[in-house]
Amino acid sequence: QKEVEQDPGPLSVPEGAIVSLNCTYSNSAFQYFMWYRQYSRKGPELLMYTYSSGNKEDGRFTAQVDKSSKYISLFIRDSQPSDSATYLCAMGSSGSARQLTFGSGTQLTVLP
Amino acid sequence: KAGVTQTPRYLIKTRGQQVTLSCSPISGHRSVSWYQQTPGQGLQFLFEYFSETQRNKGNFPGRFSGRQFSNSRSEMNVSTLELGDSALYLCASSPRGSDTEAFFGQGTRLTVV
Repeated sequence: QKEVEQDPGPLSVPEGAIVSLNCTYSNSAFQYFMWYRQYSRKGPELLMYTYSSGNKEDGRFTAQVDKSSKYISLFIRDSQPSDSATYLCAMGSSGSARQLTFGSGTQLTVLP
Repeated sequence: KAGVTQTPRYLIKTRGQQVTLSCSPISGHRSVSWYQQTPGQGLQFLFEYFSETQRNKGNFPGRFSGRQFSNSRSEMNVSTLELGDSALYLCASSPRGSDTEAFFGQGTRLTVV
């Protein structure tokens, strides 16, 4: 079993839809969580960083963390064609050297 | 503020050769991590350097090595290249400790033929 599970999609939605992306994890040591967006042939771009359970909002993006269920989500409101990309969740443990464990990525297409 | 810079962007090498990739982190960042990204395995951690010391290493063979200089710039080296080493190699820069954000460069796409 992988430490981080992410539905690979592909996910296709109409412009303006609300998108929900999810990851589950098994390692209780994970304390902080990130979401990245990666366009084809580019490096991952950091969208959200969260350290605690609950919600964090930044513009059209909301990150949600439920440590008791080992479940994280990223919501995209009013999705745009420019949001079409692969979305990666990543997580790490405190108190150790920097090492992120990534989900496999969800490929999202927003149709105009 | 300049982002993470990786050079070169593209490389084609022959099996058995060695290759060196370079990463310049964001100014002021002291932690540099390296990752390999392939379609089959996704993003996998290679190693992390902080203040010129390797703090952590992923599950890769000894052919993969790295170092960090006093200005925080980092290099990774792969010796005796194999076809399976073809991948996008990504460098991530972090301000300091283990629980801070990680910012990635555009990567170096290595093709081994």
